[in-house]
Amino acid sequence: KQEVTQIPAALSVPEGENLVLNCSFTDSAIYNLQWFRQDPGKGLTSLLLIQSSQREQTSGRLNASLDKSSGRSTLYIAASQPGDSATYLCAVDNQAGTALIFGKGTTLSVSS
Amino acid sequence: DAGITQSPRHKVTETGTPVTLRCHQTENHRYMYWYRQDPGHGLRLIHYSYGVKDTDKGEVSDGYSVSRSKTEDFLLTLESATSSQTSVYFCAIRGNEGPYGYTFGSGTRLTVV
Repeated sequence: KQEVTQIPAALSVPEGENLVLNCSFTDSAIYNLQWFRQDPGKGLTSLLLIQSSQREQTSGRLNASLDKSSGRSTLYIAASQPGDSATYLCAVDNQAGTALIFGKGTTLSVSS
Repeated sequence: DAGITQSPRHKVTETGTPVTLRCHQTENHRYMYWYRQDPGHGLRLIHYSYGVKDTDKGEVSDGYSVSRSKTEDFLLTLESATSSQTSVYFCAIRGNEGPYGYTFGSGTRLTVV
């Protein structure tokens, strides 16, 4: 059974710092990996999707990497801002593509 | 946002009553999903659908049923609501073409009293 773990569960940093969020999964036979952002009381917003054949994806200050063989992904946020404060969720699409399996998230707080 | 709408947005209901949540999409997506989100558990799959009248169970399907009579609508029914079903429910769709990313609705906050 696929399990997704995100470390740390919570992170507090000062504005301007670069940071890395970690995601690990137990079964390397994945199709896609997707990172989401969730603001308190809101829905999920997709940030980046990495296909299993890719190594990384970039969008603005965000960069996500994937190492399928070791079962790991990282989300790198450059020059963090208070507006980046949110919960970040990692999810993997299993081989059959029948559902996303989520980690429990990392709650990020960026102070000004 | 990819034409996915959940209704109602908020609902309070009494224990033992049936409740139906609706997910509506406008872009002819084949795959649709219902998740629940709870503190300490994260997002867990309840049921999913891979076409009209084609559904399957997820990790936490007990006490829930689903129906999909039209491509655009996926209904989640709590047959007899219990307090343990107080949660935030999210509907999702999967892209029909590569890279098959997922898009989520805004959620329904359900309270069972």
